[in-house]
Amino acid sequence: DSGVTQTPKHLITATGQRVTLRCSPRSGDLSVYWYQQSLDQGLQFLIQYYNGEERAKGNILERFSAQQFPDLHSELNLSSLELGDSALYFCASSVEYDKILLWQYFGPGTRLTVT
Amino acid sequence: GDSVTQMEGPVTLSEEAFLTINCTYTATGYPSLFWYVQYPGEGLQLLLKATKADDKGSNKGFEATYRKETTSFHLEKGSVQVSDSAVYFCAQNGNQFYFGTGTSLTVIP
Repeated sequence: DSGVTQTPKHLITATGQRVTLRCSPRSGDLSVYWYQQSLDQGLQFLIQYYNGEERAKGNILERFSAQQFPDLHSELNLSSLELGDSALYFCASSVEYDKILLWQYFGPGTRLTVT
Repeated sequence: GDSVTQMEGPVTLSEEAFLTINCTYTATGYPSLFWYVQYPGEGLQLLLKATKADDKGSNKGFEATYRKETTSFHLEKGSVQVSDSAVYFCAQNGNQFYFGTGTSLTVIP
């Protein structure tokens, strides 16, 4: 158990819909990262938050957005869903020491299926 | 820019065979290097890490040495088991984390 929790574990929805994925980082970790893992594209970094503020953006579509709340949990919102958005979505958290990112702890993931 | 390149899979080995998965990196600074493992249906788990040149990370019989001269961090295990079947990711922590594309390993009895 990494200490990072994600809900829901599975999500099935239709094209055009909107969903919200939730992540709670390990106790004490200020950084939260979101990744998308699909069969054909591997692990794609989407976005990072640090203590409530966006820190880095990766290959995140405009239809996707995220935020980190004061209690440090994060939500990833996916809208106007397409079949190609079907994937595993992972959240990770990490500790920083003297502004250096240490290793990440990953949650178990949310499997999104768009039909 | 910073990146990680790892050996394409899939890799299939017999039990007790020797494993090498190659990983090279490009970095503007002095990153730490990592190997993560993802078992079927699970998230990624940190397998081992090395924080500076010539450091050797090791865990569960796996080893990798941080080679600055060849910018490499190859993963090795002397005798694989069926339970090692998983996807292995090489990663570095520059200004953000960079992951390789993953190498799928299947170990057959």
